[in-house]
Amino acid sequence: GAVVSQHPSRVICKSGTSVKIECRSLDFQATTMFWYRQFPKQSLMLMATSNEGSKATYEQGVEKDKFLINHASLTLSTLTVTSAHPEDSSFYICSARNAADTQYFGPGTRLTVL
Amino acid sequence: AQSVTQLGSHVSVSEGALVLLRCNYSSSVPPYLFWYVQYPNQGLQLLLKYTTGATLVKGINGFEAEFKKSETSFHLTKPSAHMSDAAEYFCAVRGNNDMRFGAGTRLTVKP
Repeated sequence: GAVVSQHPSRVICKSGTSVKIECRSLDFQATTMFWYRQFPKQSLMLMATSNEGSKATYEQGVEKDKFLINHASLTLSTLTVTSAHPEDSSFYICSARNAADTQYFGPGTRLTVL
Repeated sequence: AQSVTQLGSHVSVSEGALVLLRCNYSSSVPPYLFWYVQYPNQGLQLLLKYTTGATLVKGINGFEAEFKKSETSFHLTKPSAHMSDAAEYFCAVRGNNDMRFGAGTRLTVKP
């Protein structure tokens, strides 16, 4: 089946630094990618939807200047958490949709901000 | 707009017993419905999905779900629980574009 990878799987950073998370569709081209955030013992909350070559569409309440999304190619989307703070600590999950309109999820990235 | 409500944040069953996880949805367009399972510190694994056609959908690991439009429900069932079924289960609905998730139900299986 289709595979979506994320890198890194875990990252620990100091408050005030920026962290980049990569999401790749390994065996298909993804015209649309999604970024979700999951707090402990809670559900996935959609942060933004990105289409290749265009600006991401952010959900209400998500700061676009803090969570920078770049969907530079049909197989790669990146999420950069800028000036991270402890409250940004979370599990970030990306998802990619293929041409058959099927959505696949990555394994997630656990971000811990000290 | 679409949304999902999962009734019961925690369900506990004995090994071999019936598993029933409830999901109700709201959607302004004909929905696509999904059930995912998540093990600790892992991503989501698709159990099954309903798009069109047959309303009883069979998935992996012996799970199935039935789409009932009149009840706006998509409950997940498994006849006999196994210890390995213990996990977090998420119901999701997709309307026009993006996918929205329910709050999740933690399934515990007692020996």
